[in-house]
Amino acid sequence: KNEVEQSPQNLTAQEGEFITINCSYSVGISALHWLQQHPGGGIVSLFMLSSGKKKHGRLIATINIQEKHSSLHITASHPRDSAVYICAVSDFGNEKLTFGTGTRLTIIP
Amino acid sequence: GAGVSQTPSNKVTEKGKYVELRCDPISGHTALYWYRQSLGQGPEFLIYFQGTGAADDSGLPNDRFFAVRPEGSVSTLKIQRTERGDSAVYLCASRRQGLLNTGELFFGEGSRLTVL
Repeated sequence: KNEVEQSPQNLTAQEGEFITINCSYSVGISALHWLQQHPGGGIVSLFMLSSGKKKHGRLIATINIQEKHSSLHITASHPRDSAVYICAVSDFGNEKLTFGTGTRLTIIP
Repeated sequence: GAGVSQTPSNKVTEKGKYVELRCDPISGHTALYWYRQSLGQGPEFLIYFQGTGAADDSGLPNDRFFAVRPEGSVSTLKIQRTERGDSAVYLCASRRQGLLNTGELFFGEGSRLTVL
C-alpha cells in the first residue's frame, strides 16, 4: 500500500510570496495528482503528471520519479489561493487513488 | 450535466437508520469513484465503477456499505444500520475513462453525512 506524506501540514504566507508544497510517496506510481479543496468540500483537479513538470498560470507542478517526490509551486501568491492542497497517487495496476492529508495554505493580504 | 452532482448535500440521521447518497456524474464519463473524507483527513477510496460494474470495491469498510450504478450513469451509495463513525463527507468523482487512460478527474461537492 502506498503511503503519501505532505509537508508542511499548514502554511501561512504573505500575498506575493512564492509557495512550495511537497509530496512524498513510498511505492512506484503510474500518476500523481495535485488537487485543490476549498472550504465546503469542493475538490478541483489542478494537475495530473507522471514525469517532468507542468505549468498552468501561476501554478507549477514537478515530479521526480526516482526520488518519489513531487512539489507544487505557486508564484505571486494571492489570498484567493487559500485552500487545502492535496496530493494523490495511483499505483500501477489499480484504479484507486491514495491521498495525502493535505496542506492548508493561508495567504494573508 | 455541467459537473458532478451529489445529493443530498447534507444528511443528518439517527444511528441505525438507512441512508442513500446519490451521484450524477458528468455525461459520458464511464468511470465513477466514491471516496469518504473524515474531518482533517484526506479522502479514502471506497469503490470504483467502470460502466455498470464495480471494478474495485476493496475500500468499502464493511458489508453495511453497498453501491450500485445500474445504467452506467447515476450511482447510489447505500449505508445500512448507520453508526456514528460513518459521519463524514462522501465524495463522488467521475472520469471519461479509467484512471490509467489519463483523463482528468472531476469531483462533486460531496454529501456531508452526520449520524447522531
